[in-house]
Amino acid sequence: QVQLQESGPGLVKPSETLSLTCTVSGGSISSYYWSWIRQPPGKGLEWIGYIFYSGSTNYNPSLKSRVAISVDTSKNQFSLNLRSVTAADTAVYYCARLPTTRDWFDPWGQGTLVTVSS
Amino acid sequence: DIQMTQSPSSLSASVGDRVTITCRASQSISTYLNWYQQKPGRAPKLLISAASSLQSGVPSRFSGSGSGTDFTLTISSLQPEDFATYYCQQSYSTLAITFGQGTRLEIK
Repeated sequence: QVQLQESGPGLVKPSETLSLTCTVSGGSISSYYWSWIRQPPGKGLEWIGYIFYSGSTNYNPSLKSRVAISVDTSKNQFSLNLRSVTAADTAVYYCARLPTTRDWFDPWGQGTLVTVSS
Repeated sequence: DIQMTQSPSSLSASVGDRVTITCRASQSISTYLNWYQQKPGRAPKLLISAASSLQSGVPSRFSGSGSGTDFTLTISSLQPEDFATYYCQQSYSTLAITFGQGTRLEIK
């Protein structure tokens, strides 16, 4: 079965770029949409954006100016870049599969905590 | 964006109770509504898709209903492992996917 695993730095300085990678195992990254979702400590879930395996993307309007999601089909990975981070970007970041844009998130990665602090 | 409002925000109940959580959309979303369960320190787990389709492996005490703007998640007889936070999520607006704020289900 498909499994997802996030990886990347757990600490990022303010104004810098947060970069995370999600590695997909147990299945191909092709033919699906892949998404990033985050959850600030003690708060709810916020969708960040998604990418189709072909490279087309869609982002949360509230983050659109700072976000870029990319895909590397040769490595079965997709990545998140979030620029100009502040403490408000401190959160657990999850990657998840989205079968189509009108479907649901399943499965999810275990999540990775990213703290923005100097 | 479509706003998703869950009620209540928190709920205390006992093992064996029947519990209902409501999710209301700010506009009609047909049945593009999904429910997740999240336990502390864990990723959310998909319970119900398309308003009422129970995912494989999810106990039958969970059920979902609704269409348009009003949806419910019902747990027919609470078990100890059901105490968690529940989120609804709409996928009608493919340009802006949104979640409800969550309902925390606690042991009374």
